[in-house]
Amino acid sequence: DVKVTQSSRYLVKRTGEKVFLECVQDMDHENMFWYRQDPGLGLRLIYFSYDVKMKEKGDIPEGYSVSREKKERFSLILESASTNQTSMYLCASSRPSGRVVVNEQFFGPGTRLTVL
Amino acid sequence: AQSVTQLDSHVSVSEGTPVLLRCNYSSSYSPSLFWYVQHPNKGLQLLLKYTSAATLVKGINGFEAEFKKSETSFHLTKPSAHMSDAAEYFCVVTGSGGYNKLIFGAGTRLAVHP
Repeated sequence: DVKVTQSSRYLVKRTGEKVFLECVQDMDHENMFWYRQDPGLGLRLIYFSYDVKMKEKGDIPEGYSVSREKKERFSLILESASTNQTSMYLCASSRPSGRVVVNEQFFGPGTRLTVL
Repeated sequence: AQSVTQLDSHVSVSEGTPVLLRCNYSSSYSPSLFWYVQHPNKGLQLLLKYTSAATLVKGINGFEAEFKKSETSFHLTKPSAHMSDAAEYFCVVTGSGGYNKLIFGAGTRLAVHP
C-alpha cells in the first residue's frame, strides 16, 4: 500500500521561528511536491522536486525553501515564520509524467501549521 | 495558461439523489484532468483521471466524469448520493509547466442529507 507520511499533524509556532516540515514516501517516486491549502483557494504549489537535490519553484515559493537530500524525503523550511503562513501543508509524490502517461500524485495527511 | 474553475463552492443533495459537481478548464494544450476527493481530516484521494483516451471516465465509488472539449468542461457526476460521499472535491488540470505539475480548483464542498 502506497504511503506518504508527514512528520506532524498539528504544529504551533511563533512568528520568526524557523520551521521544518518533513515528508517521507515509500514508493520510490522521483517527484515530490509541497502544497499549501487554504479555504476557497484550493491547493497551491510551493515547490516541486524531480530528483535528489533538484527543485523547482511553484506558484507561491516566497518565504519558503526546500531540501531533498534523499529520494524518499522532502523537507519544507520556513526560514522565519509569519502569521500569513498559517495554513494546511500537504506533501505529495508521484512518478514522472509525460504526454503519454500522466501519473497520479499521492498525498500525505497534511500538517496544520499555526503561526502565532 | 492553465486554469480550472469549479462553478459551485457548496453543493447540497439528499441521499439517493444525483450528484453534479461542475468544472470548467482553460488550457493551451491537450490537458489531463483529474478529480480528487478529500474527506474530513484525511489526505486527498484520486477519484478519476482523463488522459485523452475515452471521454467518459469512470472512477471509484460510482463517480464518473465526461470530458467535453467543445465546452471545456469536466463535470463530475454520480447517479445516487451516499452519506459517505460528503467531502470536498477538487477538479485538477495539468499545469503549464508540463504534465508533472497540477493546477487545483478552489474546491466544492458536497453535503449529503438524509
